[in-house]
Amino acid sequence: EADIYQTPRYLVIGTGKKITLECSQTMGHDKMYWYQQDPGMELHLIHYSYGVNSTEKGDLSSESTVSRIRTEHFPLTLESARPSHTSQYLCASSAWTGAYEQYFGPGTRLTVT
Amino acid sequence: DQQVKQNSPSLSVQEGRISILNCDYTNSMFDYFLWYKKYPAEGPTFLISISSIKDKNEDGRFTVFLNKSAKHLSLHIVPSQPGDSAVYFCAASDRSNDYKLSFGAGTTVTVRA
Repeated sequence: EADIYQTPRYLVIGTGKKITLECSQTMGHDKMYWYQQDPGMELHLIHYSYGVNSTEKGDLSSESTVSRIRTEHFPLTLESARPSHTSQYLCASSAWTGAYEQYFGPGTRLTVT
Repeated sequence: DQQVKQNSPSLSVQEGRISILNCDYTNSMFDYFLWYKKYPAEGPTFLISISSIKDKNEDGRFTVFLNKSAKHLSLHIVPSQPGDSAVYFCAASDRSNDYKLSFGAGTTVTVRA
């Protein structure tokens, strides 16, 4: 079954730790996205990728980085977590250049203490 | 500069009645509009969409109306069911921005038994 996966689902971590949020999709989509979302707020695009070795920063400035070495995998890394990074992180993918619909993973709820 | 606005943060409706969710946008270049539904601790799921060349799209209990002159769209859910209780996000896109989505802040719908 084609799907999009995110791990971990929940993460509580101390300030200064390095973390990697995993995102994988089995739909063969070229485009992948990372969003950040806080309760009662809109989703903010922080990174996107059009394909292997392609990554771009989104509309919201983020201290995180991403990589796209394989089509199906789009991990997000925070080198040094801070309490301001506490948020929900959502990964999404879309099918082809002309497609509007994006399909989302279940999200990672990150809490930095 | 938020280009998509959902001015009602919450809506309470009785089971069996109609739910009407509203969304306004400011960017006249938007040519495609989507509604997503999100349960707590899950990622958004695509619900229904409409192209700017149409003024109505229907899918089962869900109908989206688009008024381009007013830069306004609405989602109607008839009849509302308890499983419809969720956060609903309006999103908009245009091909000149490479189909990236701009999201509203969401409306929390509660369906009362």
